[in-house]
Amino acid sequence: GENVEQHPSTLSVQEGDSAVIKCTYSDSASNYFPWYKQELGKRPQLIIDIRSNVGEKKDQRIAVTLNKTAKHFSLHITETQPEDSAVYFCAPGYNTDKLIFGTGTRLQVFP
Amino acid sequence: DVKVTQSSRYLVKRTGEKVFLECVQDMDHENMFWYRQDPGLGLRLIYFSYDVKMKEKGDIPEGYSVSREKKERFSLILESASTNQTSMYLCASSLGGDEQFFGPGTRLTVL
Repeated sequence: GENVEQHPSTLSVQEGDSAVIKCTYSDSASNYFPWYKQELGKRPQLIIDIRSNVGEKKDQRIAVTLNKTAKHFSLHITETQPEDSAVYFCAPGYNTDKLIFGTGTRLQVFP
Repeated sequence: DVKVTQSSRYLVKRTGEKVFLECVQDMDHENMFWYRQDPGLGLRLIYFSYDVKMKEKGDIPEGYSVSREKKERFSLILESASTNQTSMYLCASSLGGDEQFFGPGTRLTVL
């Protein structure tokens, strides 16, 4: 089955700095690559996703890049703010019907 | 707005009890999912369903069963609860090929 690894497991940055989280996967059939954000005590919510026919997607301060050959995709957050503090999960899958979640990255943004 | 609700936020049960966790979505979504979330392990898929009366095993189905008699409702059943099933349980729903929307979660403690 799909093996998903997420790095780093924790990340601390100063407000205004950039943060990058990397996700590697094993199933070459994966064609959908989302990132979910889970704030403390709340439910996971989709923040950005990309499909396999696109190499990069950007939405304001967040972006996702995909390297299908190397089987990894990354979440980039620029100009981080305290409200970006959360746990972030990658969840590669096939057509979104079945997602395999990574173990999560806890991001802390210090003011 | 998509709304996914779960029957309880907190639940305490005793070993050997039969436990029902219920999830309801109001957006006519075809797909519904049950995950458990444990620290350091991310979200792990227990069961999912693509249609009424249809179910498929996820990655950790042992000790669980599910029921989907109506499109909007997906129930998770612990036939005989054990202490290692103490966890946060998250339900999600999606329209085919689209993002998954999560419920608020049920924190189950088995004594």
